[in-house]
Amino acid sequence: AQKITQTQPGMFVQEKEAVTLDCTYDTSDPSYGLFWYKQPSSGEMIFLIYQGSYDQQNATEGRYSLNFQKARKSANLVISASQLGDSAMYFCAMRDFLVNFGNEKLTFGTGTRLTIIP
Amino acid sequence: SQTIHQWPATLVQPVGSPLSLECTVEGTSNPNLYWYRQAAGRGLQLLFYSVGIGQISSEVPQNLSASRPQDRQFILSSKKLLLSDSGFYLCAWSRAGGRETQYFGPGTRLLVL
Repeated sequence: AQKITQTQPGMFVQEKEAVTLDCTYDTSDPSYGLFWYKQPSSGEMIFLIYQGSYDQQNATEGRYSLNFQKARKSANLVISASQLGDSAMYFCAMRDFLVNFGNEKLTFGTGTRLTIIP
Repeated sequence: SQTIHQWPATLVQPVGSPLSLECTVEGTSNPNLYWYRQAAGRGLQLLFYSVGIGQISSEVPQNLSASRPQDRQFILSSKKLLLSDSGFYLCAWSRAGGRETQYFGPGTRLLVL
């Protein structure tokens, strides 16, 4: 079964510093996708970045990058030069593509609450 | 560009009352549609998803049902709400296909008293 683990319930980071949010996963599927979402206090889930299991390079989107270590089954989110607006809950999620083909289910972790300190 | 709407934004309902939450998507055709629930301080749990009009898949047995009467409309319903139905309900859409990103709406906060 799919499982996502986020071991950091909360983090405090000084503004302009880089921050790494941890995510480990477990799946038996050789083909899968990993996603990071940001949830500010308003509640909306904002898609940040995607990494496919067969992607050769780590995904990057602006200040967001994904440190994908397949052998360790980890997909940590790195935010460079953090800003006050980065304060939010961050969720890691995954989808199996083969084992659960046709099942659109995203499995989410429990999230990390990131607080940026001015 | 695509946009996804949910209403109402907030709802307070008594136990035993019916429920109807609506989700609509603009700017795309034949999207996959999803309903998720988020309990306080928790991650999201998929409730239903739909790959087309009238096609609903249920992930967990519960007091809720879903319908898709139109291509870009997804409705979450209940005949009789339970206290445990309280939570934050998020609708999402993705392009049809196996590997597409899901994009979420603003959500509905439901409190059952």
